[in-house]
Amino acid sequence: RKEVEQDPGPFNVPEGATVAFNCTYSNSASQSFFWYRQDCRKEPKLLMSVYSSGNEDGRFTAQLNRASQYISLLIRDSKLSDSATYLCVVSLTNRDDKIIFGKGTRLHILP
Amino acid sequence: NAGVTQTPKFQVLKTGQSMTLQCAQDMNHNSMYWYRQDPGMGLRLIYYSASEGTTDKGEVPNGYNVSRLNKREFSLRLESAAPSQTSVYFCASNHPGGQRVKNYGYTFGSGTRLTVV
Repeated sequence: RKEVEQDPGPFNVPEGATVAFNCTYSNSASQSFFWYRQDCRKEPKLLMSVYSSGNEDGRFTAQLNRASQYISLLIRDSKLSDSATYLCVVSLTNRDDKIIFGKGTRLHILP
Repeated sequence: NAGVTQTPKFQVLKTGQSMTLQCAQDMNHNSMYWYRQDPGMGLRLIYYSASEGTTDKGEVPNGYNVSRLNKREFSLRLESAAPSQTSVYFCASNHPGGQRVKNYGYTFGSGTRLTVV
């Protein structure tokens, strides 16, 4: 099993729809979880951290399921500007070399 | 609010040439990293520095060297560039949380697009 695995997509979703994607991780000792967004030919930018209790930031909701070892990202009322690649990031908090990036899920919002 | 600054943004090298990619952060972060990103491969860690004065190999260190010049600056050197090193290089910094402190995640520079011909 890969350390961090994501569906590469692309997810083609009409504007205004809700879209969700998951990311699975293999190390049960993982401590910190994040979603990053990367626009074409740009650097990754932190979208949100993922907390054990789940967290919401506007139209975005992130959840963690430790039992099944996955995190999820839900985007409601999708906008054209949400088109990007979403990277799942998992880390062992106290190890700098154990921050693993997923390869990303591409999302295209269609007008 | 500069964050992480990388230079240059673009570079074309001939096989065998050398160059240094520069990175500086102004967030007082302890940890700095160099990644490369290739199509279909995701981000791969080349080297990292957990603190000033320390450096460690990541997943793909061959062909590269690094220097943590001070807390702000972390440079990546290609001694003899090869076509396989054509990639987009990202520098990042982080203040790892440790066991009791929250990890706030990475801040990335805008990247260096390197082509080796």
